[in-house]
Amino acid sequence: DTEVTQTPKHLVMGMTNKKSLKCEQHMGHRAMYWYKQKAKKPPELMFVYSYEKLSINESVPSRFSPECPNSSLLNLHLHALQPEDSALYLCASSQSRAGPFTGELFFGEGSRLTVL
Amino acid sequence: AQSVTQPDIHITVSEGASLELRCNYSYGATPYLFWYVQSPGQGLQLLLKYFSGDTLVQGIKGFEAEFKRSQSSFNLRKPSVHWSDAAEYFCAVAPGSGNTGKLIFGQGTTLQVKP
Repeated sequence: DTEVTQTPKHLVMGMTNKKSLKCEQHMGHRAMYWYKQKAKKPPELMFVYSYEKLSINESVPSRFSPECPNSSLLNLHLHALQPEDSALYLCASSQSRAGPFTGELFFGEGSRLTVL
Repeated sequence: AQSVTQPDIHITVSEGASLELRCNYSYGATPYLFWYVQSPGQGLQLLLKYFSGDTLVQGIKGFEAEFKRSQSSFNLRKPSVHWSDAAEYFCAVAPGSGNTGKLIFGQGTTLQVKP
């Protein structure tokens, strides 16, 4: 069982819609991540939140807007997406509140997004 | 620049046969090294990790990996493959120092298991 929970598992949206992806973890992890993954490709880092502050934005288009309301929750707000944004969006968390970043990530099962 | 290379895009093995998936990295110092597995339509699961110490590390599901500094490699092995091992396997590295929060993935190897 995964300890990182993502909702919804599947989402279909039009290019004018506004939707959100949600992620939740209860492991006390200090960092949370959004990755985008296309079929047969490795995950691509989008955003990193550390201690609820945005620490890394990998030059992601503004139609993707992350939000970290508290240490357990991570949202990804979607607006005016393009068909090429269709992908599996993975949330991950890492490390307990003490200690340096070690790169060990705990992934959710992902949200499969289709943009029509 | 740091990079990870998985030379084999696709590997097919028979059930019960041994498996080795290759991974080479490029980094100035010894990074933290990982193997993740992804079943179709699922998220990634950590198989094993190397931070320091013993260069042969044991992971879940009967997998092991050996870190070879001289070859900049971290190959994944399993003595006897099961049909349920069919999945995508990603090697990944993180800097051994610093705190960037970034993980660099290889392109992945698709493992197919024949009955």
